[in-house]
Amino acid sequence: DGGITQSPKYLFRKEGQNVTLSCEQNLNHDAMYWYRQDPGQGLRLIYYSQIVNDFQKGDIAEGYSVSREKKESFPLTVTSAQKNPTAFYLCASSFKGGLSSGANVLTFGAGSRLTVL
Amino acid sequence: AQSVTQLGSHVSVSEGALVLLRCNYSSSVPPYLFWYVQYPNQGLQLLLKYTTGATLVKGINGFEAEFKKSETSFHLTKPSAHMSDAAEYFCAVSGSSASKIIFGSGTRLSIRP
Repeated sequence: DGGITQSPKYLFRKEGQNVTLSCEQNLNHDAMYWYRQDPGQGLRLIYYSQIVNDFQKGDIAEGYSVSREKKESFPLTVTSAQKNPTAFYLCASSFKGGLSSGANVLTFGAGSRLTVL
Repeated sequence: AQSVTQLGSHVSVSEGALVLLRCNYSSSVPPYLFWYVQYPNQGLQLLLKYTTGATLVKGINGFEAEFKKSETSFHLTKPSAHMSDAAEYFCAVSGSSASKIIFGSGTRLSIRP
């Protein structure tokens, strides 16, 4: 079955450590996204990528980094510069392109919950 | 620029009662509008979307929403709530060729027996 796989599901980090969250999709989607979810704040966009080897900052990119070396993969690194990294992180993907690309539906992974100890 | 406002962070209804979750949007271009549902500790899944054409959109699990341009609203309704509807619901907006989809802050729906 096609879908998005996020790993790990739960992750604990000590202050000062970098951690990388994995996101893999086999949907042949062009675009991939990382969102952060905090209680009462909805989803906030961290980074997105519409094509391999290219990505753009979202609304809260500070303290995060990404890469897009393969179409299927869009890992997110939470660096030590992120002041409050404890959150639920969601990866998503969609088709891209065309005048109505904004109508493309996002497919989400099951999420990764990061806790800073 | 686009934005979404969901009125009410928590809505509680009795089983069998009408569900109404409110969403208002702001968009400088014709909007595409979405409702997603999230069950605890899971990702989001699409309930329904409006792109063009018919303003009353039917989705999964008996939900529907009506696009009202004059009111800049896209409220989600279901005639009769079921216990399995308990979840968090997100309204979202994007533009014609927009890469970014803007989400509201979510509404948690509780169902009373």
